Amino acid sequence: AQSVSQHNHHVILSEAASLELGCNYSYGGTVNLFWYVQYPGQHLQLLLKYFSGDPLVKGIKGFEAEFIKSKFSFNLRKPSVQWSDTAEYFCAVGGDSNYQLIWGAGTKLIIKP
Amino acid sequence: DAGVTQSPTHLIKTRGQQVTLRCSPKSGHDTVSWYQQALGQGPQFIFQYYEEEERQRGNFPDRFSGHQFPNYSSELNVNALLLGDSALYLCASSADSLIAKNIQYFGAGTRLSVL
Repeated sequence: AQSVSQHNHHVILSEAASLELGCNYSYGGTVNLFWYVQYPGQHLQLLLKYFSGDPLVKGIKGFEAEFIKSKFSFNLRKPSVQWSDTAEYFCAVGGDSNYQLIWGAGTKLIIKP
Repeated sequence: DAGVTQSPTHLIKTRGQQVTLRCSPKSGHDTVSWYQQALGQGPQFIFQYYEEEERQRGNFPDRFSGHQFPNYSSELNVNALLLGDSALYLCASSADSLIAKNIQYFGAGTRLSVL
């Protein structure tokens, strides 16, 4: 069965701390991987994506993610978080032969100023 | 450039009623997907419309139906509402190309409450 697992439902960090949010997936075939972010009161926005090539992808606002095929993982990282990174983060998986995205349950990130 | 717009933003219905939600895709996009997001969960795929036809459907009952118009806008209809249909309904649009088909742009959603 296709699924996405995000291990942490809530994460609280202080400003300038490093961030890593876990995402593991179960999916047959070629995968397209995404991280979306939802800031308070706003709609879902694409943070970064991976289709192929370099497994380390960079997104907006200093975020990056690494695709590790052997671990079926696509973890999101940021070296130094800011208060404005407070948001909910979603990992999603799609495939070349499938039009839908399969989503994780999301991680609520709170940054203490 | 207008993004994805959805209407209404909030809706309250009672069990057994029917509801219609509307979506206008981002300019240049021809594909519309609908998702249901229950509280504390990620979005669940309902269906996708392309060229005015339902192209793929998720695990939702026939009470959920949709339509796409020639201008690419779309409607989601839910009949015989149940309490469990209370959720945020998200519309996402994309351009139908090999690379872009999974890149989806989301609207702010319609919050449906069923009493």
